[in-house]
Amino acid sequence: EDQVTQSPEALRLQEGESSSLNCSYTVSGLRGLFWYRQDPGKGPEFLFTLYSAGEEKEKERLKATLTKKESFLHITAPKPEDSATYLCAVRPRRDAGGTSYGKLTFGQGTILTVHP
Amino acid sequence: DAGVTQSPTHLIKTRGQQVTLRCSPKSGHDTVSWYQQALGQGPQFIFQYYEEEERQRGNFPDRFSGHQFPNYSSELNVNALLLGDSALYLCASSVTMGQGSYEQYFGPGTRLTVT
Repeated sequence: EDQVTQSPEALRLQEGESSSLNCSYTVSGLRGLFWYRQDPGKGPEFLFTLYSAGEEKEKERLKATLTKKESFLHITAPKPEDSATYLCAVRPRRDAGGTSYGKLTFGQGTILTVHP
Repeated sequence: DAGVTQSPTHLIKTRGQQVTLRCSPKSGHDTVSWYQQALGQGPQFIFQYYEEEERQRGNFPDRFSGHQFPNYSSELNVNALLLGDSALYLCASSVTMGQGSYEQYFGPGTRLTVT
């Protein structure tokens, strides 16, 4: 069964203090790893899709990297508006039924708080 | 370009009742997935619809059913509501045969409270 574990559960940073969030995964062949940002009471906002080990993608202060067993979301010089829950999800190459249509398995998220 | 829309925003139901939630996918998307998100947890996959058929299902009982219409919009129905069904219900849309990066875009969700 596909599993995604995110750490830490919560992270408090000072504005400008760079850090990384971790996403460890177990999947029967990776077809895609996804990062989302979620504000309280809202739906997740798509950030990145990564497909293969060594791949990196950037968006403003965020950079996502991928290895064969984990992904990191690096936050450079964060601002208070970066405060949110960050979710990681995987899409397997094949699920238990032998197909992969797009089911995403999510981790529990990392709650990021950036203080001014 | 309209993103994924869901209705209603909030809903309060009594245990044992039935509920229908609605979703319109992002323009150009033909596939709709439904997720349930309990407080403090990541979303859990319920099922996915493509070409008006359910083609993949997560570990949810038959009380959860859905439908997709010819215009790609979708409904999620939950029968015999339990207190444990209280959650944020999320709809996500994507393109099944698209080229390039695979992306699922989520709607704002429907907050269901069962009393």
